[in-house]
Amino acid sequence: LAKTTQPISMDSYEGQEVNITCSHNNIATNDYITWYQQFPSQGPRFIIQGYKTKVTNEVASLFIPADRKSSTLSLPRVSLSDTAVYYCLVGDSRGDSSYKLIFGSGTRLLVRP
Amino acid sequence: NAGVTQTPKFQVLKTGQSMTLQCAQDMNHEYMSWYRQDPGMGLRLIHYSVGAGITDQGEVPNGYNVSRSTTEDFPLRLLSAAPSQTSVYFCASRSRRTVNTEAFFGQGTRLTVV
Repeated sequence: LAKTTQPISMDSYEGQEVNITCSHNNIATNDYITWYQQFPSQGPRFIIQGYKTKVTNEVASLFIPADRKSSTLSLPRVSLSDTAVYYCLVGDSRGDSSYKLIFGSGTRLLVRP
Repeated sequence: NAGVTQTPKFQVLKTGQSMTLQCAQDMNHEYMSWYRQDPGMGLRLIHYSVGAGITDQGEVPNGYNVSRSTTEDFPLRLLSAAPSQTSVYFCASRSRRTVNTEAFFGQGTRLTVV
């Protein structure tokens, strides 16, 4: 499983765009990049997954450069309710390791008024 | 469709006691996992299962046992509780039939061992 590195914490203000970058230098050819969000006292929630280029859904966008050694989760116009921990995971969703989702320490995002 | 249900939500144990944390899912998911989360930390994988009758160890399996006799249930047993096992425990399930790695988590069991 590819190791990921993300900032420990980030601060932002309401209405701003927040970009959280994750490094995964040893990503394998079949690996996907997945982001989860965790609010206090709750289990993580799947946000978005991508393989290359850009993926967008109603919650966030995920940007993946051509070399796939990093990825950026973009949250547009954050609100106080986006305060949470964000986890970046890398793994082969179709391979034998796909059932072992390994979470790192995540990025603690604090959105201020 | 309740998703992933964990019971109990809160539990206090004395050192040395044993107990079972229950986890049930109604989505017919093949994959199920148990995680623990210590204050201010990320999730660590304890045990996982890829189907009924098949379990394996994760990152921190010591002090815990699991079994999976049905697709729906994946109980986690603490054999002899220790203060170091004070944590929040999350159960998760995922389908092996989808390309994405979307896992569904329960609401957690907050365990305190005194």
